Amino acid sequence: EIVMTQSPATLSVSPGERATLSCRASQSISSDLAWYQQKPGQAPRLLIYGASTRATGIPARFSGSGSGTEFTLTISSLQSEDFAVYYCQQYNNWWTFGQGTKVEIK
Amino acid sequence: EVRLVESGGGLIQPGGSLRLSCAASGFTVSSNYMSWVRQAPGKGLEWVSVIYSGGNTYYADSVKGRFTISRDNSKNTLYLQMNSLRAEDTAMYYCAGVTSGNWFDPWGQGTLVTVSS
Repeated sequence: EIVMTQSPATLSVSPGERATLSCRASQSISSDLAWYQQKPGQAPRLLIYGASTRATGIPARFSGSGSGTEFTLTISSLQSEDFAVYYCQQYNNWWTFGQGTKVEIK
Repeated sequence: EVRLVESGGGLIQPGGSLRLSCAASGFTVSSNYMSWVRQAPGKGLEWVSVIYSGGNTYYADSVKGRFTISRDNSKNTLYLQMNSLRAEDTAMYYCAGVTSGNWFDPWGQGTLVTVSS
């Protein structure tokens, strides 16, 4: 099983600041990585697939990068609606998720 | 509009059975890979099962032999039959479409399963 490790567990950021979230795979997954956003009481929502392609309707302030085992989700200027939990998911070999990064208001 | 709506969750005793449903609209269950994903209270996401458009089914080790995924093409509905339920199966269960690229989209709103005596 491919293990996905996200860091940090919690990220405290002020509105308007930049947030950088990391995700590491236990073995190479090429670019087979997606990012999801989950707000309290809601289902996950697809943000990024193929490590760097924004899903339909996702604002340009969200960007993804990386390949192999190291990946990054960047939110360039945090808006109030961006405070949530973010999960990475590999789909190279079945499916596994990271444990999540909570982005909270500083 | 694409919509997935889960139902069938509830409180069930350990060892009991439950069947979850996921009704789709604007989206054809039989033409897509479909998955179930669960989330224990306050925890992360765990893939549970997938059914391919051709009918093949696969399961996470944690549920293999106890859960069965299926679909009814005439009702455009996905199911998850859960038997021999354990306390550790307590979670919100989401159905999700699996895209041709293998990421998950769309997602339903989830149905809560609580296994407790």
